[in-house]
Amino acid sequence: GESVGLHLPTLSVQEGDNSIINCAYSNSASDYFIWYKQESGKGPQFIIDIRSNMDKRQGQRVTVLLNKTVKHLSLQIAATQPGDSAVYFCAEIRTNDYKLSFGAGTTVTVRA
Amino acid sequence: DAGITQSPRHKVTETGTPVTLRCHQTENHRYMYWYRQDPGHGLRLIHYSYGVKDTDKGEVSDGYSVSRSKTEDFLLTLESATSSQTSVYFCAISELGGSSPLHFGNGTRLTVT
Repeated sequence: GESVGLHLPTLSVQEGDNSIINCAYSNSASDYFIWYKQESGKGPQFIIDIRSNMDKRQGQRVTVLLNKTVKHLSLQIAATQPGDSAVYFCAEIRTNDYKLSFGAGTTVTVRA
Repeated sequence: DAGITQSPRHKVTETGTPVTLRCHQTENHRYMYWYRQDPGHGLRLIHYSYGVKDTDKGEVSDGYSVSRSKTEDFLLTLESATSSQTSVYFCAISELGGSSPLHFGNGTRLTVT
């Protein structure tokens, strides 16, 4: 079936730099997207969400961009900190079944 | 954390034995979910509930059953555990189902020997 995927499995970032994590989705019927962060030994933690009627949304140090034309989602983290080291998942919710589909995740490692 | 408690946090069991995992929430959310997480597969939905006594299957429901007799509790049962069910199991809750984010518990690591 259709699923959400991430472009890169790993990302290494220098502390203080900005991080960009990308995600592609395939179902044009998806209208709600969520980014999660998962630290070792913990459950996924909600970071930020965006609905398909928006193309940008900002939170604290994070920005999500949605490009529906190319079915692309990205998460930008400003001034990356060691505590940002984790696995990041994008997820989509489809209007026809309201169940989440997750991508495989991108492991972000912050270098001191 | 979103008021979700999973128990036990770790369990080792033998093939063929029944196992029940519990999820307890204090948020009074209507929707509850069970996911499993495995390397190379990400998070996969096992079962979900959209109200007391209202449940439905997810993409990997074979070998699992669920029950929800109270808003706050969602139980996942492995009727006869198999080694392929060794995994980390996450419970999640959502206030509005498809219109709001899921919030996850910290998981139960289950090993079937």
